[in-house]
Amino acid sequence: GAGVSQSPSNKVTEKGKDVELRCDPISGHTALYWYRQRLGQGLEFLIYFQGNSAPDKSGLPSDRFSAERTGESVSTLTIQRTQQEDSAVYLCASTKGGWGNEQFFGPGTRLTVL
Amino acid sequence: GENVGLHLPTLSVQEGDNSIINCAYSNSASDYFIWYKQESGKGPQFIIDIRSNMDKRQGQRVTVLLNKTVKHLSLQIAATQPGDSAVYFCAERPNSGNTPLVFGKGTRLSVIA
Repeated sequence: GAGVSQSPSNKVTEKGKDVELRCDPISGHTALYWYRQRLGQGLEFLIYFQGNSAPDKSGLPSDRFSAERTGESVSTLTIQRTQQEDSAVYLCASTKGGWGNEQFFGPGTRLTVL
Repeated sequence: GENVGLHLPTLSVQEGDNSIINCAYSNSASDYFIWYKQESGKGPQFIIDIRSNMDKRQGQRVTVLLNKTVKHLSLQIAATQPGDSAVYFCAERPNSGNTPLVFGKGTRLSVIA
């Protein structure tokens, strides 16, 4: 079956512009996660959606970052007024349940802020 | 993603040899650990996991060892193949329940044919 997909695969933007990244999880997966991966670093948790529960936003680095999810389907991560330090690969993952389950990752969106 | 791991520690292994990738975790209360493999330009891929009530778990060509006394996790790959070349990350779940995974910085495995 189809895995997690993300779009765009690459995004180049100018400092100060807003960007929107999209994630399509595996059908039937109730949980969805966003991570940031800077060059040469591990994954940094951003936000977690589980079913209809309130999302865990504890990893969002600033109020410029926000994410939404429609039911148990697509999610969008929005970064407002982008800064150069926002340049990274943004990864999305989904699972059938919560944190104790295998996470299936998408290929990521490489964001470059000039 | 692409170019992930340019500045990561690197382990170079001859094809056919066994590889051991190590990870020191931070939280003695962590109850769940996972190893991921990330090839260039791709998202991380689950390899194997282990819960804190175990000290060893085996998969196909891979073994994970957990030493809770020294908070150390290792991934052993038997008969390393060129396709094993990737960046490997360990992750821990700091507490039971719905808490985010904490990922290590990763180790690049380079297999010499």
